[in-house]
Amino acid sequence: NAGVTQTPKFRVLKTGQSMTLLCAQDMNHEYMYWYRQDPGMGLRLIHYSVGEGTTAKGEVPDGYNVSRLKKQNFLLGLESAAPSQTSVYFCASSYTSGAYNEQFFGPGTRLTVL
Amino acid sequence: AQKITQTQPGMFVQEKEAVTLDCTYDTSDQSYGLFWYKQPSSGEMIFLIYQGSYDEQNATEGRYSLNFQKARKSANLVISASQLGDSAMYFCAMRANFGNEKLTFGTGTRLTIIP
Repeated sequence: NAGVTQTPKFRVLKTGQSMTLLCAQDMNHEYMYWYRQDPGMGLRLIHYSVGEGTTAKGEVPDGYNVSRLKKQNFLLGLESAAPSQTSVYFCASSYTSGAYNEQFFGPGTRLTVL
Repeated sequence: AQKITQTQPGMFVQEKEAVTLDCTYDTSDQSYGLFWYKQPSSGEMIFLIYQGSYDEQNATEGRYSLNFQKARKSANLVISASQLGDSAMYFCAMRANFGNEKLTFGTGTRLTIIP
């Protein structure tokens, strides 16, 4: 099992460009999440999904959109990138909700917006 | 709202010594889980240990143990016999059991093991 994978690993964008980050999991998990990690801060939830075809806003959703067309994939889109979106992005998945369910993380995508 | 506080931005510990990383939390939920993750310089998030709010015994996983003091709302990570490979960022996180999907993370502690 590959676990949680993220594509790409690194990306540099210019302000105003768009891009999509792809997250894939092969553990048949229902729940998927996108977080961002900034220096000096812990991870913050951007959007999440509780199942195929569903999405919901997290703590810092502005400037991002997501889609979960297939259970195993969760896409994060930036329509018009801004320098404030320079960050490391982590995708995670879990079998279900609740405090007793570990979230498995992908390796991260380092995004720089110039 | 949930909040995690990690007051130690950085720690230096001699190899083979034990180390305690502090974590306090704030929540109004009765049922919740506490997690510790390790983030080495390579960047991935590695799950270390979990403690449920109703667990009466402290969680242990190999060299990792969680010192859970519910009344004090603290969930400190103890690493016994530290190794050079333990050098990393360590994040404490919590998650409510109902109606809250996200993990709330602290700001992390950077642990450096000195040979």
